[in-house]
Formats: sequence, structure tokens, C-alpha cells
Amino acid sequence: GQQLNQSPQSMFIQEGEDVSMNCTSSSIFNTWLWYKQDPGEGPVLLIALYKAGELTSNGRLTAQFGITRKDSFLNISASIPSDVGIYFCAGLLLNSGGSNYKLTFGKGTLLTVNP
Amino acid sequence: ETGVTQTPRHLVMGMTNKKSLKCEQHLGHNAMYWYKQSAKKPLELMFVYSLEERVENNSVPSRFSPECPNSSHLFLHLHTLQPEDSALYLCASSQKLAGEGNEQFFGPGTRLTVL
Repeated sequence: GQQLNQSPQSMFIQEGEDVSMNCTSSSIFNTWLWYKQDPGEGPVLLIALYKAGELTSNGRLTAQFGITRKDSFLNISASIPSDVGIYFCAGLLLNSGGSNYKLTFGKGTLLTVNP
Repeated sequence: ETGVTQTPRHLVMGMTNKKSLKCEQHLGHNAMYWYKQSAKKPLELMFVYSLEERVENNSVPSRFSPECPNSSHLFLHLHTLQPEDSALYLCASSQKLAGEGNEQFFGPGTRLTVL
């Protein structure tokens, strides 16, 4: 089956620093999604990417859909303490008929921000 | 508050019990999903419903039985579970399965413990 390699597994940074994390796969996807999950809560969508090469920003967050459709990265600029959490990437592949739905998540990147 | 609610938030059950998890979305979405989240493992997509029809994807043990009576409600019926089924079960919904509008909104999850 499809697998996503998300790295790094964890990061410890100082407030104000920039952060970068990425996901790679041996398979292509139609959509890349980035989520953040806080303890005791469900994941919250940060950015959705629908086209190869697409670069999208959401405040201090920027994500890109790789040209090969097999990878994506997420950058966080000027980190703040509330950025702490687990960040997940997810790749979606849906066939044109809509009968074969494959959504695969990465294992997550645990981000710790020291004030 | 994402517009997706789950009950109960916590559930402890024996291996011979039958229980059900409930999910309700107040967003007018057409697709709903069940996920399993275990420690140190990626989120696992269990079931997908689009317009109340189940979309085949991953193989899930028959001791998990989904039900989607209408576009706003999704149930997961549990029967003769195993201790390794203990996990956080997340429900999500989206406007569409793919393309713009496929962003999934998650509920807070049900923490299930099987004794």
C-alpha cells in the first residue's frame, strides 16, 4: 500500500525561528493536506493543496504540492509557543469514478517551541 | 468547535460487549469518515461514506460495522473487540470527496479502551 515518509519526527526550536517539515511518497496523489493536532482534540486542517506545483499560504504557514506529485512541504515562519503540537501530512488519491478512495497520513512531526 | 461532534468522548468496554460510537456533523457536508488513531502510528482511515453510500477503501475487521442513516449522522458499531482495538476513534466530514471542498473537519474523537 501507499506510505508517506514524514520528517522530521520531532523538532525542538526557539520562539521566533522558522520551521520546515516534509512528506515524501513513492506514489502520486491528487491532493496534499496538512493538519495540526493538539492533545485531546481532533486534527485541524491548516492547508489544502490541489495542483502539482501549487504554493499556498495561511498566515505564517506556507505549503507546496511537489511537481512530481509525490511530495509536499510545510513551512512555519517566526514560530510562537502556540505552534506546539503534532503536524500531519496526508495524501489523497481518488480515481475519476470516485470508487477508489485512498487517503494516507504521515506519522506526524512533534513540534516543541521554547519561549 | 469544528461543527463535528462525537459521543461518547470516552468509552471502556469488555471484549464481549456491544457498543456504538456516534458522530454528527452540522456543516451540511456530503461525506463522512471514520479513523482510528493509535499511539506511534499514522491515522488509519477505516470507512468513507459519500451521500450516504459507503465507498470501498481499506479492509477493516468485521467487528467494526459502520452505519450512515443520513448525511448528518455516522455510527460505528462495535462488537467483540480486542484489546489492540483500544485507540482514539475520530470522525470527520467534508463537503466533497475530492477536489476543492474535500477538506475534512474532524470531531474531538472517542477514546476507546477495551479490557
